[in-house]
Amino acid sequence: AQKVTQAQTEISVVEKEDVTLDCVYETRDTTYYLFWYKQPPSGELVFLIRRNSFDEQNEISGRYSWNFQKSTSSFNFTITASQVVDSAVYFCALSEAANAGKSTFGDGTTLTVKP
Amino acid sequence: DTAVSQTPKYLVTQMGNDKSIKCEQNLGHDTMYWYKQDSKKFLKIMFSYNNKELIINETVPNRFSPKSPDKAHLNLHINSLELGDSAVYFCASSQIPTGAKSSYNSPLHFGNGTRLTVT
Repeated sequence: AQKVTQAQTEISVVEKEDVTLDCVYETRDTTYYLFWYKQPPSGELVFLIRRNSFDEQNEISGRYSWNFQKSTSSFNFTITASQVVDSAVYFCALSEAANAGKSTFGDGTTLTVKP
Repeated sequence: DTAVSQTPKYLVTQMGNDKSIKCEQNLGHDTMYWYKQDSKKFLKIMFSYNNKELIINETVPNRFSPKSPDKAHLNLHINSLELGDSAVYFCASSQIPTGAKSSYNSPLHFGNGTRLTVT
């Protein structure tokens, strides 16, 4: 069974601080996909990044970076120099190739960036 | 161009009523979903349709019935609404691999959600 754990329920930082959101997953499949989504206060769900299980290369996109480590089953998300606009709920999700179509979401981490 | 659109945005109704939420996607995806987000922001999959065929049906009460007239549309009908049905319902679409294993699995593209309030 696939499972995603986001242990941090809420995080509060001051603007310009760096912050890391943790994501730990469980799966029996050897081929799977990991995602991060952002849900700002306006409510929509926005896709941020996708990672395949066979591609452990870390990725950086502007102030965002992702650290994928199969050895620890983690897919952590770091925001560098956080901004107020980064305030949102962030979800990590897992989709197994053998269970194609079903994305299991973590419970989300609410990030508040204070000015 | 709105990729995944769902209507209505807000739905306020009384217990016992029947209501429907409509969803349409213009991304050419073959798979559509309904997710429920409760008051604690937890997101749970309810249903998934691939080319009009039901492929995922989580433990959802029979009062919820999805309908997919074609692969671009997935509607959700709810009978005998209960207070506990109050939530935000998100429609989504994606392109899933056709084989058992694939190097590609597209992310979910979500609609803007329908906030259902049952009084």
